[in-house]
Amino acid sequence: NAGVTQTPKFRVLKTGQSMTLLCAQDMNHEYMYWYRQDPGMGLRLIHYSVGEGTTAKGEVPDGYNVSRLKKQNFLLGLESAAPSQTSVYFCASSRTTPSGAQGFYGYTFGSGTRLTVV
Amino acid sequence: KQEVTQIPAALSVPEGENLVLNCSFTDSAIYNLQWFRQDPGKGLTSLLLIQSSQREQTSGRLNASLDKSSGRSTLYIAASQPGDSATYLCAGGTSYGKLTFGQGTILTVHP
Repeated sequence: NAGVTQTPKFRVLKTGQSMTLLCAQDMNHEYMYWYRQDPGMGLRLIHYSVGEGTTAKGEVPDGYNVSRLKKQNFLLGLESAAPSQTSVYFCASSRTTPSGAQGFYGYTFGSGTRLTVV
Repeated sequence: KQEVTQIPAALSVPEGENLVLNCSFTDSAIYNLQWFRQDPGKGLTSLLLIQSSQREQTSGRLNASLDKSSGRSTLYIAASQPGDSATYLCAGGTSYGKLTFGQGTILTVHP
């Protein structure tokens, strides 16, 4: 099915370990995002990308790095995992309206990665 | 900094009732306002997106309105069904499509 695919779906890490979450979309969307969802906090933006080769910080970027070497893929890395990074991570993509960057539609979210850091 | 608040936090209604979910935002300079549905343990499904130049959007039994001047949006669900039970999230969109989410309203529709 077309959409946003996240791998893995579940992962348990020990404190200090590293890992990479992969997000892939097949809708040719220019914009991609990583959010984390925590109880009582809602979804918060970690990093985003407005095109291949570009990345930018969101609201809670500390402890994470990202890369977008190909338009369809957006990778989220944790270099040294901490228990505070236990969360559900969602990737999303979107595209602009024909009028340009003032309007967006086509938001599609992946099914999430549930990460536990012990 | 944009802040999005949803009221109520939880709502339980009998099947067939019409209901309204509320969303308020502090910064009126949003590009769009979007409503999502999230089922337990699942991702987000986009329900309705209202561009900043629009006042409302409709899809089936759902109607969402946007009033930028007052910083409010409402999601109206007509003739609710048990299958509507889920968490409903609203989000304000800004530059580059970034979204600021509310904490959601947990809706339970009982038969």
